[in-house]
Amino acid sequence: AQRVTQPEKLLSVFKGAPVELKCNYSYSGSPELFWYVQYSRQRLQLLLRHISRESIKGFTADLNKGETSFHLKKPFAQEEDSAMYYCAPLGRNTGGFKTIFGAGTRLFVKA
Amino acid sequence: DTAVSQTPKYLVTQMGNDKSIKCEQNLGHDTMYWYKQDSKKFLKIMFSYNNKELIINETVPNRFSPKSPDKAHLNLHINSLELGDSAVYFCASSQEGPRGRTDTQYFGPGTRLTVL
Repeated sequence: AQRVTQPEKLLSVFKGAPVELKCNYSYSGSPELFWYVQYSRQRLQLLLRHISRESIKGFTADLNKGETSFHLKKPFAQEEDSAMYYCAPLGRNTGGFKTIFGAGTRLFVKA
Repeated sequence: DTAVSQTPKYLVTQMGNDKSIKCEQNLGHDTMYWYKQDSKKFLKIMFSYNNKELIINETVPNRFSPKSPDKAHLNLHINSLELGDSAVYFCASSQEGPRGRTDTQYFGPGTRLTVL
């Protein structure tokens, strides 16, 4: 079965500390991987996708096909990074292509 | 201009009532979605439409019926509302790419439904 796992429901770090939000997936074929973010009282929006290989707001994510992981990292967390983060693989499923969202990790960056 | 809009933003209603949530996108996308986000922030897809045709229909009660009058609109009608329907409902849209692969999803602001 296609599945995405974000093992941490809540991650609390101090400002300036490194942060890593874990994501593991189980998917047949070669899914495309996304991270979406939801800031307080705002809509979900794309943070980054693996094919872009870009850094957004200091965040990067490397696709590790061997470990089937797509962890999100930032070397120095900022208070404004506090939000809900969703890992979301997009791949072929019955009925066409489908994005499955992980359960989400709430990141809380303390001053 | 707002890319994906939903109305209403808040909806408070009694059990047993019927209600609708509207969604419109002006991005020219051909795929639209409805998601339900529960109190634990878990996001689950409910339906997906491509060019007005239903392509994903997850296990949701028959009381939920999506309607797509054109590819820019996807409305959600809910009959006989129950307490467990209380959640935030998000509409989203994306563009279909090569070989039917859909692209980045753009979300609406959400509709917070409270069933009393």
